[in-house]
Amino acid sequence: AQSVTQLGSHVSVSEGALVLLRCNYSSSVPPYLFWYVQYPNQGLQLLLKYTTGATLVKGINGFEAEFKKSETSFHLAKPSAHMSDAAEYFCAVSDRGSSASKIIFGSGTRLSIRP
Amino acid sequence: DTGVSQDPRHKITKRGQNVTFRCDPISEHNRLYWYRQTLGQGPEFLTYFQNEAQLEKSRLLSDRFSAERPKGSFSTLEIQRTEQGDSAMYLCASSQGQPNTEAFFGQGTRLTVV
Repeated sequence: AQSVTQLGSHVSVSEGALVLLRCNYSSSVPPYLFWYVQYPNQGLQLLLKYTTGATLVKGINGFEAEFKKSETSFHLAKPSAHMSDAAEYFCAVSDRGSSASKIIFGSGTRLSIRP
Repeated sequence: DTGVSQDPRHKITKRGQNVTFRCDPISEHNRLYWYRQTLGQGPEFLTYFQNEAQLEKSRLLSDRFSAERPKGSFSTLEIQRTEQGDSAMYLCASSQGQPNTEAFFGQGTRLTVV
């Protein structure tokens, strides 16, 4: 069964600093991988996804993530944090081996930005 | 298209009452998902549909929960004999095609059981 683990339920960085949110997955076959963001009182929004091809994927708002099969990881990064990045971030996976597959979410990481 | 729509946005009910939530997905999306989210947690999978077929139901979902998608368009989630532990945000999402495509989420229905 697939699972996803997000290391760190809360991350705090200074404005302008590097943001790094960690995600590891467990799956017999590398799954499809997603990062979603949830702003307060809003629905989840896709930041980026990895399906195939280049392992470094770029998303909206300057975020990027790298798929590392050997580490079963899909960490999310942004070189310079902005106050508007404060939100909850969720890593998610979907089974590559099935055409009828659900999306499984991690427990989330709350990102805070210090002025 | 206005995106995924959920109704109501908020529901307060007394313990033991039944509640029903509605989700209208994006037109033409064949997949529809229901999730439950509690404070500080990620969305927890409940069930999902491909067209009108319910393909999977979480083992965490008790018999008090039932979902339908009668014509492959909108969906309803019913909770019978609500309990305080059912208090949560119920999220609906839809997508089109294969599992590698983006799921679009509604803003959710917040249920409070008193």
